[in-house]
Amino acid sequence: QQQVKQSPQSLIVQKGGISIINCAYENTAFDYFPWYQQFPGKGPALLIAIRPDVSEKKEGRFTISFNKSAKQFSLHIMDSQPGDSATYFCAAADTGTASKLTFGTGTRLQVTL
Amino acid sequence: DAGVIQSPRHEVTEMGQEVTLRCKPISGHDYLFWYRQTMMRGLELLIYFNNNVPIDDSGMPEDRFSAKMPNASFSTLKIQPSEPRDSAVYFCASRAVAGGSTGELFFGEGSRLTVL
Repeated sequence: QQQVKQSPQSLIVQKGGISIINCAYENTAFDYFPWYQQFPGKGPALLIAIRPDVSEKKEGRFTISFNKSAKQFSLHIMDSQPGDSATYFCAAADTGTASKLTFGTGTRLQVTL
Repeated sequence: DAGVIQSPRHEVTEMGQEVTLRCKPISGHDYLFWYRQTMMRGLELLIYFNNNVPIDDSGMPEDRFSAKMPNASFSTLKIQPSEPRDSAVYFCASRAVAGGSTGELFFGEGSRLTVL
């Protein structure tokens, strides 16, 4: 059973545009929501994370928006660059009972010139 | 630090053969995770260890899969016998206990397994 649903599966954005990736979760006990970035041939690496006590977190061009009532969160990449081309995974964890992350299925982002 | 080290990076084997994947976590990290990545299912957690002890192996697909962590610096994931549907990229990741449950996961570069 997939507990974190991610969309779209793939995304093409022009340089300078905004990339938006969405995730939805089912388990209301989840209280930690990171995003990981993966380049071809590499393992995923932490990009940015949020806790549900805030609705938005921004780090440079990357912003997480969180909607607790809808059980949804999204990653926005402003001024997308070709170097942002990668696969992005959202994830969630219930930090009170488990130490494991549940990942979404990933979004392959391509930023074109 | 060299990061999480996995070997082999690529493995091609025939159905029915035994496959052993190896992982060296980052020194001082107390948690070790094994994930499997496929296009259809994304990143799936197979098993994780805390202080060398298996904590949750509910993601291990079946008895053909086994994992061990004999010491703090080494873990193996074994598939015996292997099947074509086991073809995937297998990732090992480690995390420092100091970060708690929100600590960053550090992934290795993965082992790409192809079972013919």
